[in-house]
Amino acid sequence: DSGVTQTPKHLITATGQRVTLRCSPRSGDLSVYWYQQSLDQGLQFLIQYYNGEERAKGNILERFSAQQFPDLHSELNLSSLELGDSALYFCASTLLGMSGGSEETQYFGPGTRLLVL
Amino acid sequence: GQNIDQPTEMTATEGAIVQINCTYQTSGFNGLFWYQQHAGEAPTFLSYNVLDGLEEKGRFSSFLSRSKGYSYLLLKELQMKDSASYLCAALYNTNAGKSTFGDGTTLTVKP
Repeated sequence: DSGVTQTPKHLITATGQRVTLRCSPRSGDLSVYWYQQSLDQGLQFLIQYYNGEERAKGNILERFSAQQFPDLHSELNLSSLELGDSALYFCASTLLGMSGGSEETQYFGPGTRLLVL
Repeated sequence: GQNIDQPTEMTATEGAIVQINCTYQTSGFNGLFWYQQHAGEAPTFLSYNVLDGLEEKGRFSSFLSRSKGYSYLLLKELQMKDSASYLCAALYNTNAGKSTFGDGTTLTVKP
């Protein structure tokens, strides 16, 4: 158990809909990362938050948005869903997220499996 | 860019030794992680190297050469449960703490 929690575990929805994925980082971790992993693909970095502020952005679509709240949990919002958005969405947390050392070890949540029909 | 290159697939026999290589760009490099990911599950941390040389942890060892932009993960006494994807991830001082992940090497261990 990494200490990172994600809800829900599974989500089935229809094209055009909007969903929210939730992540709680490990206790004490300040930085949260979101990744998308399609079937048999690598991890695609979406976005990083540090202590409530956006720190880095990857290949995140404009239909997707995220935020990190004062209690450090984070939500990833996916809207106008398309079939191609079906994937595993992982959240990871690190102690700092400030470019140094083993403190940047990422601890991953179990993921949310999204299926868009 | 900060391309991370590793082989897509490897196959090895139970009980054998396998070496998974990873190359990365050296400019701004700050450290290298290896993660293991079983199919449908979350990646889990295996090792972190920041200095040149070999770090050993039981059946798994990780090596780093900073000047060559090269790392490898060595798995000894392979077991069936080692069948998984192995992700190489490099940390750069320009990336605000965000590791850049390779696409992973899928290792299949056969009896």
